[in-house]
Amino acid sequence: AQSVSQHNHHVILSEAASLELGCNYSYGGTVNLFWYVQYPGQHLQLLLKYFSGDPLVKGIKGFEAEFIKSKFSFNLRKPSVQWSDTAEYFCAVIPRREGGKLIFGQGTELSVKP
Amino acid sequence: DTGVSQDPRHKITKRGQNVTFRCDPISEHNRLYWYRQTLGQGPEFLTYFQNEAQLEKSRLLSDRFSAERPKGSFSTLEIQRTEQGDSAMYLCASSPRQGTNTEAFFGQGTRLTVV
Repeated sequence: AQSVSQHNHHVILSEAASLELGCNYSYGGTVNLFWYVQYPGQHLQLLLKYFSGDPLVKGIKGFEAEFIKSKFSFNLRKPSVQWSDTAEYFCAVIPRREGGKLIFGQGTELSVKP
Repeated sequence: DTGVSQDPRHKITKRGQNVTFRCDPISEHNRLYWYRQTLGQGPEFLTYFQNEAQLEKSRLLSDRFSAERPKGSFSTLEIQRTEQGDSAMYLCASSPRQGTNTEAFFGQGTRLTVV
């Protein structure tokens, strides 16, 4: 079955630390890739997306992600986190032949200590 | 606010009762999706519409669940004879066109608690 795996359920960092959240998917065909963020009490918001082209994509708030096709991975990075980055992060894919529905990972809760 | 709107935000119901949720997508968005999210999990796809046509339903969507989008604008999700396992956050999302090279915009969800 198609699936998306996020490596860490809960990550705790101090401010200014670097962040990398892992995401792997299992789907053999072409996919579109997304990272969504959910701040406490708010709705899911798009951080960044990859459809094609440069595998290193930049998103909002200093986040970036790298698509490595050979590893079926789309890891999220940020060089220096802030307390305001405390949120839940979801990796998601749309297999190109699947009509647009998102398949989400289980999420990673990020807690940033001030 | 011109984002995706869901109503109600919270619903507490007794087991066996029917509930209906409403989603108003972003204006002119053709696609509308319903997802369900339980604690500690990512959202799971339930069903989606292209305009008024329901194009796909997940196996998660039992016969007790029905969704409509009668005029291709707002959508309703009804759960009949609710069970405690139906307790979850129900999310609606919309996207501006068909195909996969587009992003989905999410509402704030309806949190259902079945007691």
